Amino acid sequence: GAVVSQHPSRVICKSGTSVKIECRSLDFQATTMFWYRQFPKKSLMLMATSNEGSKATYEQGVEKDKFLINHASLTLSTLTVTSAHPEDSSFYICSASRTDYTEAFFGQGTRLTVV
Amino acid sequence: AQSVTQPDIHITVSEGASLELRCNYSYGATPYLFWYVQSPGQGLQLLLKYFSGDTLVQGIKGFEAEFKRSQSSFNLRKPSVHWSDAAEYFCAVGSGGGADGLTFGKGTHLIIQP
Repeated sequence: GAVVSQHPSRVICKSGTSVKIECRSLDFQATTMFWYRQFPKKSLMLMATSNEGSKATYEQGVEKDKFLINHASLTLSTLTVTSAHPEDSSFYICSASRTDYTEAFFGQGTRLTVV
Repeated sequence: AQSVTQPDIHITVSEGASLELRCNYSYGATPYLFWYVQSPGQGLQLLLKYFSGDTLVQGIKGFEAEFKRSQSSFNLRKPSVHWSDAAEYFCAVGSGGGADGLTFGKGTHLIIQP
């Protein structure tokens, strides 16, 4: 089966610093990757869609300058939370879509805590 | 705009009893529908999906779901639940399989009573 690995699984950072989260497709090439945010007891909200080699498309209300997304290769996308603040604390989940687009596969998520 | 409604925030079921989790969607075209399960602090595992064809789809772990276009529903069922089924369940809708991001419902928290 298709495996998507997300790293780190947990991260604690100080307010004002930046943190990078990696999303890798381990056994397939992912033309498209998605980043979601999940608040406690809430659903997943799509933040942005990234296609390899092009700029990410952000959903309405998501600050592109705060949440930097890079999809430099067919197996790696990164989400960088810049100048993090406590309100950015959340569970971030990526998913990756194969080129045949039958479905997207999810990573295990990253718990970000900003102190 | 597309949306997904899971009307039940919590459901408690006795072990061995049957289960039905409700999902209603709003979508302008033919929907791609999914059910995912999430254990605490974990990512999402796909239980089953519907793209076209037979409206009753079988998934992993003994789950099935039925697509009813007339009711805009995609309810998840299991004939006999196990304690290990306790988790958060999300229904989601998309436009093109894996090509577009998904819209998720708010989730249903399933509690299994011994």
